[in-house]
Amino acid sequence: DAKTTQPNSMESNEEEPVHLPCNHSTISGTDYIHWYRQLPSQGPEYVIHGLTSNVNNRMASLAIAEDRKSSTLILHRATLRDAAVYYCILRADGGATNKLIFGTGTLLAVQP
Amino acid sequence: NAGVTQTPKFQVLKTGQSMTLQCAQDMNHNSMYWYRQDPGMGLRLIYYSASEGTTDKGEVPNGYNVSRLNKREFSLRLESAAPSQTSVYFCASSRTRLGYYQPQHFGDGTRLSIL
Repeated sequence: DAKTTQPNSMESNEEEPVHLPCNHSTISGTDYIHWYRQLPSQGPEYVIHGLTSNVNNRMASLAIAEDRKSSTLILHRATLRDAAVYYCILRADGGATNKLIFGTGTLLAVQP
Repeated sequence: NAGVTQTPKFQVLKTGQSMTLQCAQDMNHNSMYWYRQDPGMGLRLIYYSASEGTTDKGEVPNGYNVSRLNKREFSLRLESAAPSQTSVYFCASSRTRLGYYQPQHFGDGTRLSIL
């Protein structure tokens, strides 16, 4: 299975944009890039996913490099509630179960 | 909406005791999953169930059994608990639509300590 590499931690100031990087140099052509986040003492929650084109939703934007070897999750205006561990995950199984393989993620701290 | 509900939220066991962790979802999802998360690490898949009546092993199935009781419920059993199974256990569910990714929805976890 293709692996992802993320920084262990990042810091941001409240109301500023945050760019969370992810490297996935061995990504296969059919792998989707998924982002989940885990708030303290909670289960992970889905953020966004994409294949080749950049994606936007109400939570974030996903920018995917043209060669797909890296991607960036963009939080446009960080809030204190965005402090969490962010996981970049490549879809492990193309079948019906959508299994996920989590790495250790990036711990995002947001300063007021 | 309740989403994914896990019970209990906390549990302390002695080595060798058995226990069943319960999970129920009210979103009419076909697929359900059990993960464990050790301190400072990401989640690891224990077992999953693609549909009612089917179960399959994940990355770390040893020491666990599962039952997909019906479409709503998916339980995880520790037959003889060991200290290495001290962890936070998460249940998740998702729709199933072949060829399309369906996000997983997670419960808030069961914190299990084995002495």
